[in-house]
Amino acid sequence: GESVGLHLPTLSVQEGDNSIINCAYSNSASDYFIWYKQESGKGPQFIIDIRSNMDKRQGQRVTVLLNKTVKHLSLQIAATQPGDSAVYFCAEKGHTGNQFYFGTGTSLTVIP
Amino acid sequence: DGGITQSPKYLFRKEGQNVTLSCEQNLNHDAMYWYRQDPGQGLRLIYYSQIVNDFQKGDIAEGYSVSREKKESFPLTVTSAQKNPTAFYLCASSISPRGNSPLHFGNGTRLTVT
Repeated sequence: GESVGLHLPTLSVQEGDNSIINCAYSNSASDYFIWYKQESGKGPQFIIDIRSNMDKRQGQRVTVLLNKTVKHLSLQIAATQPGDSAVYFCAEKGHTGNQFYFGTGTSLTVIP
Repeated sequence: DGGITQSPKYLFRKEGQNVTLSCEQNLNHDAMYWYRQDPGQGLRLIYYSQIVNDFQKGDIAEGYSVSREKKESFPLTVTSAQKNPTAFYLCASSISPRGNSPLHFGNGTRLTVT
């Protein structure tokens, strides 16, 4: 099956700093990627997505970067706030399949 | 508000009993999914349904069953055949199973079997 992994299982940042969460994926045929945020006891919440024909996409305080050469995905959160504390997952989907494959997640802690 | 509702939030059962988890969506999405989440692991797909009266097994379907009689509803039954049923179960939906559209998740049901 697919293998979607994260470089760091935990990340602590000071409030106001920028956060970068990384994700490595194994299937070069994957063409759609999503970042999710999951707070304790809740379901994953969609943050931002990107298609393989793009290298970068920006949302409100978030930016996703896709490097297809090294099969790497990152999520940047600007001016990190305490409410950003959560587990962040990446997910990938191949253009021929109906399934998403999820990474194990990175736990982000924002220090006030 | 449109969304996905899973109930109950917490469920306790004795070993050997079947249990059914509810999932309802009012997003008018065609596709619905069930995932299982265990500590330290990524979400794993149990079953998915692309359209009413049709569903396919995911990676870990053994010991589970589903039905899709209505577009809005996709209940999951955890049977006594599931060897390790204690987990956090997440239901999701998407506009279409094909193409690139994100999954929308409910807030999960935590099942504990003793």
